[in-house]
Amino acid sequence: AQRVTQPEKLLSVFKGAPVELKCNYSYSGSPELFWYVQYSRQRLQLLLRHISRESIKGFTADLNKGETSFHLKKPFAQEEDSAMYYCAPPPPFYNQGGKLIFGQGTELSVKP
Amino acid sequence: NAGVTQTPKFQVLKTGQSMTLQCAQDMNHNSMYWYRQDPGMGLRLIYYSASEGTTDKGEVPNGYNVSRLNKREFSLRLESAAPSQTSVYFCASRGLGGNEQFFGPGTRLTVL
Repeated sequence: AQRVTQPEKLLSVFKGAPVELKCNYSYSGSPELFWYVQYSRQRLQLLLRHISRESIKGFTADLNKGETSFHLKKPFAQEEDSAMYYCAPPPPFYNQGGKLIFGQGTELSVKP
Repeated sequence: NAGVTQTPKFQVLKTGQSMTLQCAQDMNHNSMYWYRQDPGMGLRLIYYSASEGTTDKGEVPNGYNVSRLNKREFSLRLESAAPSQTSVYFCASRGLGGNEQFFGPGTRLTVL
């Protein structure tokens, strides 16, 4: 089945520690993937897209076709990084059993 | 540009009542989407409209209807609200040639 999965619902780290939010995909063809971030009670906003290969707010994400992953990484977490992070393909995205548009999200909590 | 706007921001309904959530975008985007966000469930697509005059079901369409009034506006209607529809509703849009979604601020709906 084609899908995007984020295996961790909650990730808790201390300030200054490295962070890796996992995203795995399984679908055929060349994937295009995005990371969106949602700060508390705010709208979702784009953080990174794999095509641009840029670094935003210290975060990077590399598409690894061999491991079918698009993990989000930051070497030193900051408290202001605490948020909900979603890995997503471009819409609409169909899988065989339905229409899975977004990963289920990972809540990142950075403790002081 | 205001981007994607949603009204109302908050709403409390009684079971069985109806209401319409409004969404508008001023970016001349072709595609528009309605999602609901629930704790532990991530974002789930309710309905989408690939272009003016077309709508299609997403992952969780039951209990909802939509109208793509024109290119700018995409409304979501709950005909007979149920407590299971208590959620935060997000509208999003996407332009031609781009796969990034732009999100509205959300509507927090409680059904008693």
